[in-house]
Amino acid sequence: EDQVTQSPEALRLQEGESSSLNCSYTVSGLRGLFWYRQDPGKGPEFLFTLYSAGEEKEKERLKATLTKKESFLHITAPKPEDSATYLCAVQENTGNQFYFGTGTSLTVIP
Amino acid sequence: GAGVSQTPSNKVTEKGKYVELRCDPISGHTALYWYRQSLGQGPEFLIYFQGTGAADDSGLPNDRFFAVRPEGSVSTLKIQRTERGDSAVYLCASSLTPNQPQHFGDGTRLSIL
Repeated sequence: EDQVTQSPEALRLQEGESSSLNCSYTVSGLRGLFWYRQDPGKGPEFLFTLYSAGEEKEKERLKATLTKKESFLHITAPKPEDSATYLCAVQENTGNQFYFGTGTSLTVIP
Repeated sequence: GAGVSQTPSNKVTEKGKYVELRCDPISGHTALYWYRQSLGQGPEFLIYFQGTGAADDSGLPNDRFFAVRPEGSVSTLKIQRTERGDSAVYLCASSLTPNQPQHFGDGTRLSIL
């Protein structure tokens, strides 16, 4: 059973059209949830860490939120340079592994 | 400040050959992770080092895969008797401590012909 599920798999937005990406997880005890951005041919770039339900983090046009079962990455008024794959990862409080989702491929059209 | 460095960036070899992939983490980072990423997938955990020791190698797919970190800094992932199914991007990440966010290198793209 997948511990982390991301949706949608792909998302196309017009520049300025706000939307949200979803990451749902099934680990029994969450130590942390991490959001990364990955550009083609590059390694994932860290964006946010969330540790407890109700927590929110913001950076420029991105805002990450966390509930007990899922996290959302909200993108406000996106620009073409926000186009990338966004990955979510969770770390259980009983181990050292990080479980990644398959990502959401975001394309922002000028 | 230098980030995580991985070499080579690309490796093409024939089935059955031995390969070594190198990772140079951020200075001072005690935790080091290896992942494998196939096209359209997220990174898949392989092994985690804390210092010099492999604290968790449960993600290594079989005994053809082995990794070392002898001095607690640079790590090498070794693959024996390579198979076509080993073709993927191998990513290395490091973090200051195990619970901190990981910083990734750009990976080694391994192609087995």
